[in-house]
Amino acid sequence: AQSVTQLGSHVSVSEGALVLLRCNYSSSVPPYLFWYVQYPNQGLQLLLKYTTGATLVKGINGFEAEFKKSETSFHLTKPSAHMSDAAEYFCAVSVKGTYKYIFGTGTRLKVLA
Amino acid sequence: SAVISQKPSRDICQRGTSLTIQCQVDSQVTMMFWYRQQPGQSLTLIATANQGSEATYESGFVIDKFPISRPNLTFSTLTVSNMSPEDSSIYLCSTAGSEETQYFGPGTRLLVL
Repeated sequence: AQSVTQLGSHVSVSEGALVLLRCNYSSSVPPYLFWYVQYPNQGLQLLLKYTTGATLVKGINGFEAEFKKSETSFHLTKPSAHMSDAAEYFCAVSVKGTYKYIFGTGTRLKVLA
Repeated sequence: SAVISQKPSRDICQRGTSLTIQCQVDSQVTMMFWYRQQPGQSLTLIATANQGSEATYESGFVIDKFPISRPNLTFSTLTVSNMSPEDSSIYLCSTAGSEETQYFGPGTRLLVL
């Protein structure tokens, strides 16, 4: 069975500082991994995904994530936070062919001026 | 990616009543999903809806409580029946794209009094 753990339900960073949101997964088979962002009163928007190939994936809005199989991690980073990055971020895992997502509990990012 | 709309965007309902949520996609899609996001929590899959077949419900969700229709490849409805305050949540539909990627609608925010 798959599972996802997001460490830190709330993360605060200063504007211009590094953003690091942690995601660890558990899967008995090679996973597909996703990061989504949810702005207030909106649905989920895909930031980036890892399926196969290059383990460092780049997404929208300057975000990137690295798949580390040995650490079962898929942490999300952005070099310089912007006020507009304030939102809730969800990590999700899926298994090829199932289309079933297991979501993490989410991390609410606050960006301080 | 598909553009997904949901109606209503929000509603306040009385306990014991039912609400039907509509999900419209701007292109034909095989798989559609319905999720529940309870206040302050992550997303939980309610059911998978494929056109031409009965919806497949996840553990803890039953058809009598959450009947789903999928009359064609661009439309689906989810009904929340005999509502109680515990049904107050955001309900989101999504569609499946390539490589297990899901695209989400904006959500329906439901408050049951």
